Amino acid sequence: GQQLNQSPQSMFIQEGEDVSMNCTSSSIFNTWLWYKQDPGEGPVLLIALYKAGELTSNGRLTAQFGTTRKDSFLNISASIPSDVGIYFCAGQVEGGSEKLVFGKGTKLTVNP
Amino acid sequence: DADVTQTPRNRITKTGKRIMLECSQTKGHDRMYWYRQDPGLGLRLIYYSFDVKDINKGEISDGYSVSRQAQAKFSLSLESAIPNQTALYFCATSDRSSPNEKLFFGSGTQLSVL
Repeated sequence: GQQLNQSPQSMFIQEGEDVSMNCTSSSIFNTWLWYKQDPGEGPVLLIALYKAGELTSNGRLTAQFGTTRKDSFLNISASIPSDVGIYFCAGQVEGGSEKLVFGKGTKLTVNP
Repeated sequence: DADVTQTPRNRITKTGKRIMLECSQTKGHDRMYWYRQDPGLGLRLIYYSFDVKDINKGEISDGYSVSRQAQAKFSLSLESAIPNQTALYFCATSDRSSPNEKLFFGSGTQLSVL
């Protein structure tokens, strides 16, 4: 099946630091989604991206749809303790199944 | 009340037992999914349904079965549970009329097979 490479696998940062994570693929995507999973809960949609080059913000979170359409980036500025969780990228492959393909997640730990 | 509700939240069972995980939704979505989450492996699709009585296999359907008897309900069954089916299971829904497949997840069912 289609693969999404998400990195890093985990991050340990201090409160106040900025965070960057990304997803890459060998396939072209027409949609990129970023989800956050809080401990003990299901993933919740943070940001949805629909066209190449698109840059979208949600509070301190900013995500971009890569211009090659094969990657996407998520940045978190000025991290706070409640940012802890697992962040997943997901995408819809162009010309492929309608179903989403998920990355394996980035586990974020924020030290106060 | 949650839009996507999974029951039970936790379940411990023994090898060989048949168990069923339930999912119900109040979002009015036509599409429903069952995913499995294992540490370091992300979310893997087990089965999905685009409408009542419509059933499709995902990437890891072996050992599982599903039933979609009503638009709001989608149940997952393990006919004979085995230890490597220990995992966190998520139900999700999406709306066919939305521009893309944005999924809405339940809170999960933690299943342990001893």
